Amino acid sequence: DQQVKQNSPSLSVQEGRISILNCDYTNSMFDYFLWYKKYPAEGPTFLISISSIKDKNEDGRFTVFLNKSAKHLSLHIVPSQPGDSAVYFCAASPNTGNQFYFGTGTSLTVIP
Amino acid sequence: GAVVSQHPSWVICKSGTSVKIECRSLDFQATTMFWYRQFPKQSLMLMATSNEGSKATYEQGVEKDKFLINHASLTLSTLTVTSAHPEDSSFYICSAISQTGKRYEQYFGPGTRLTVT
Repeated sequence: DQQVKQNSPSLSVQEGRISILNCDYTNSMFDYFLWYKKYPAEGPTFLISISSIKDKNEDGRFTVFLNKSAKHLSLHIVPSQPGDSAVYFCAASPNTGNQFYFGTGTSLTVIP
Repeated sequence: GAVVSQHPSWVICKSGTSVKIECRSLDFQATTMFWYRQFPKQSLMLMATSNEGSKATYEQGVEKDKFLINHASLTLSTLTVTSAHPEDSSFYICSAISQTGKRYEQYFGPGTRLTVT
């Protein structure tokens, strides 16, 4: 049972434009959400996170939005750069315990 | 931020041999570590949860006798692929949990590329 879903396996965006990656979850106990970026043959690296007490968190070109009622979060990258081309995973964690649940990833390609 | 290392980063072995992969949390203690496997162009697949001082918890479909996990200390977990076969060739990634107050953060290692010939 996939509790965290990324329904778009891939996304292509022109350099300089906005990239929007989406993530949906089903478990209302999740209260902490993270985005990871992964290059081929490397481990994922932490990008940005958001707690359920917020609906937006911004870090430079990266902004994560959380819509708790819709159980939906999104990652906005603006402006997109070719170096942003990677697979992006969203993850969610419940307010109890240390388990993290990952989405299946979205492969972002930023076209120069 | 916290650093997790893996060793080796790349290994080639012959069918039937065993390979050990180490995962270390370098600047924090991790009571829990996770082992993932990633196939080409596919998502991360959680294999098992490794808890310090106790037996690992394996996900459904993962053979515990084939993928031996030992979490001997708060900074080290090892994954041993026993009697490796070509289908075990994959990219193995570990992660370690760092706890700050009531919040947990997960940090990933750089991964180990295993090729079984």
